[in-house]
Amino acid sequence: QQQVKQSPQSLIVQKGGISIINCAYENTAFDYFPWYQQFPGKGPALLIAIRPDVSEKKEGRFTISFNKSAKQFSLHIMDSQPGDSATYFCAARRAKMGNQGGKLIFGQGTELSVKP
Amino acid sequence: NAGVTQTPKFRVLKTGQSMTLLCAQDMNHEYMYWYRQDPGMGLRLIHYSVGEGTTAKGEVPDGYNVSRLKKQNFLLGLESAAPSQTSVYFCASGGGRETQYFGPGTRLLVL
Repeated sequence: QQQVKQSPQSLIVQKGGISIINCAYENTAFDYFPWYQQFPGKGPALLIAIRPDVSEKKEGRFTISFNKSAKQFSLHIMDSQPGDSATYFCAARRAKMGNQGGKLIFGQGTELSVKP
Repeated sequence: NAGVTQTPKFRVLKTGQSMTLLCAQDMNHEYMYWYRQDPGMGLRLIHYSVGEGTTAKGEVPDGYNVSRLKKQNFLLGLESAAPSQTSVYFCASGGGRETQYFGPGTRLLVL
C-alpha cells in the first residue's frame, strides 16, 4: 500500500494555540517524511522533514513527532499565528529503488485557519 | 535564480482541445515531476523524470503525456482535454535528495 492518510481535513485554532495535524502510513519502506505548507495561489513549499530514525524534530515553532511502531507522524505548530493559515500536506517517500526518482506520496491536506 | 517556473498560469480549454504545459527549472536538478491538485485529494503524481530523455508514469498518468528533451524543461501534454482534467497542475524538481521544489501552478479549466 502506498497511501498516506491525513487528518483532520480542516482545523480552526485560536491565535497562540497549538495546531496538530496527523498522518498515518502503511508502507514500512518509507524512509523520509516531509511536511509541506501551501498558501492560496502558491505552490507547496517544504516546511520541515524527518527520517524514521528519530522520534522528534523541532524547527522553531514547528515540531514533527514520529511513531515508527504505530506508523504515524504528526505536525505540531506551537503558538499558532494568523500567518500560519495555509494548507498543510504530509508526505512520505519510499526508499530509493532503481529509478524510483524519490517519488513522494502526499496526504489529502489540512486547511488550517488561525483566528486572531 | 527563478527556481521553478510554469507556463501558462491559467488556461481555459474546450473538451477535445489539446495543450502543453511548460515547466522550467534553473537549479540543475535531475528529477522533475508533474502533479495535479484537486480538493480533498492532495497532490497526485502524473508523470516524472529521473533525467534528461527519461520519463515514467506516476499515480494518475491516463490522458497525459510528457517529454524531457532538455534537463531544465519538463513538458506536460493533454492530447484531448476532458472536463475531468480540470485541476491545478504543479511542476516540481528535485536534486535527487529529499526536497522537491514546486512551481506556482497552472490552473486549467476544461469546459
